Amino acid sequence: SSELTQDPAVSVALGQTVRITCQGDSLRSYYASWYQQKPGQAPVLVIYGKNNRPSGIPDRFSGSSSGNTASLTITGAQAEDEADYYCNSRYVFGTGTKVTVL
Amino acid sequence: EVQLVQSGAEVKKPGESLRISCKGSGYSFTSYWISWVRQMPGKGLEWMGRIDPSDSYTNYSPSFQGHVTISADKSISTAYLQWSSLKASDTAMYYCARSTVTTEGYYFDYWGQGTLVTVSS
Repeated sequence: SSELTQDPAVSVALGQTVRITCQGDSLRSYYASWYQQKPGQAPVLVIYGKNNRPSGIPDRFSGSSSGNTASLTITGAQAEDEADYYCNSRYVFGTGTKVTVL
Repeated sequence: EVQLVQSGAEVKKPGESLRISCKGSGYSFTSYWISWVRQMPGKGLEWMGRIDPSDSYTNYSPSFQGHVTISADKSISTAYLQWSSLKASDTAMYYCARSTVTTEGYYFDYWGQGTLVTVSS
């Protein structure tokens, strides 16, 4: 199956750490990439490959993978990190996770 | 500076045709694939398909194959997404994105601002 499953929503206290997961069979063979989308805006690439951040993405964002699960971790979440997050592997997008910063 | 600039919002009636565009600048347009991504109101991202602007080779998601056509004109660094007969269910925001493939996998590193397509009678 090429589906990628994410938890619909997670919340995190300001300054704390949150991990967003993405599950799918393709992740056993291919890296995930992660996208942040704020309301009314286009998605933005935040993590790609093993654990790479594009220029301008804060280092509080990190990625990891194990078996069929890829994870995006925000260490020390900020108010501006409140957004929807999508994983992608081989052109299939995950179902998306809404992150709320309390 | 890499930029993808999309055409403006469209309001169409069911059965009408439509072509929206995505113009790349700030990089070699023929060196990267362009993908199109749909986002229906309040929903997630869906990859529709991609085109290699160097030779116009295309791949489509099975969900969109036969429903849309992706094309490109490399002479003006522009990719297109086209419908021959719109349906109300085509109402969505459509994004173009530059697709990159490296040893670190597949990813979309630059995105257009989106084109809102509204189909209503």
